[in-house]
Amino acid sequence: DAGVIQSPRHEVTEMGQEVTLRCKPISGHNSLFWYRQTMMRGLELLIYFNNNVPIDDSGMPEDRFSAKMPNASFSTLKIQPSEPRDSAVYFCASSQSGGVYEQYFGPGTRLTVT
Amino acid sequence: GENVEQHPSTLSVQEGDSAVIKCTYSDSASNYFPWYKQELGKRPQLIIDIRSNVGEKKDQRIAVTLNKTAKHFSLHITETQPEDSAVYFCAASHGNNRLAFGKGNQVVVIP
Repeated sequence: DAGVIQSPRHEVTEMGQEVTLRCKPISGHNSLFWYRQTMMRGLELLIYFNNNVPIDDSGMPEDRFSAKMPNASFSTLKIQPSEPRDSAVYFCASSQSGGVYEQYFGPGTRLTVT
Repeated sequence: GENVEQHPSTLSVQEGDSAVIKCTYSDSASNYFPWYKQELGKRPQLIIDIRSNVGEKKDQRIAVTLNKTAKHFSLHITETQPEDSAVYFCAASHGNNRLAFGKGNQVVVIP
């Protein structure tokens, strides 16, 4: 298995632009997590899905952030409009469901908003 | 919600010495405690985990101990090597399959 796949790996955009981050979880994993990592806040859980259904989005910073999981093999995290304070590394992770299991992280997307 | 704290934030050790990182958590219902290692510019990767039905688990040079009464668990690295230099994150289960992460410890192994 190729592991969790994320794209793009790097994204530089101007303030106000829309940004879409993509994730493909490990095949057979039914739970998917989006995290944001910064020096100040560490690893923050933004939202997670179970069987393609959003379970908890309380970590989503504000309405500018939205996430979807249209099928078991694809998820997106969208920021519209983007702001400089959104600059961070965004990780997607997946795991088995039905309990608490190891989460496998993707390589991350480094987002820079100027 | 679950609150996970790690101490110390930075730890420097001489190569060959041991390193110990401690984590505390607040949710007494937590029952799964993983440790992740993140090298510079890389993704976090699981190095060891423990469930609440055991008190200690060992894997070669690393071990994790759990004290559920005191709500803390620790990572022990023996015979440290330069490749052990990284940021280490502890986490505790929170709810059905969520993890709450600590803010990380920077471990520097001095050759």
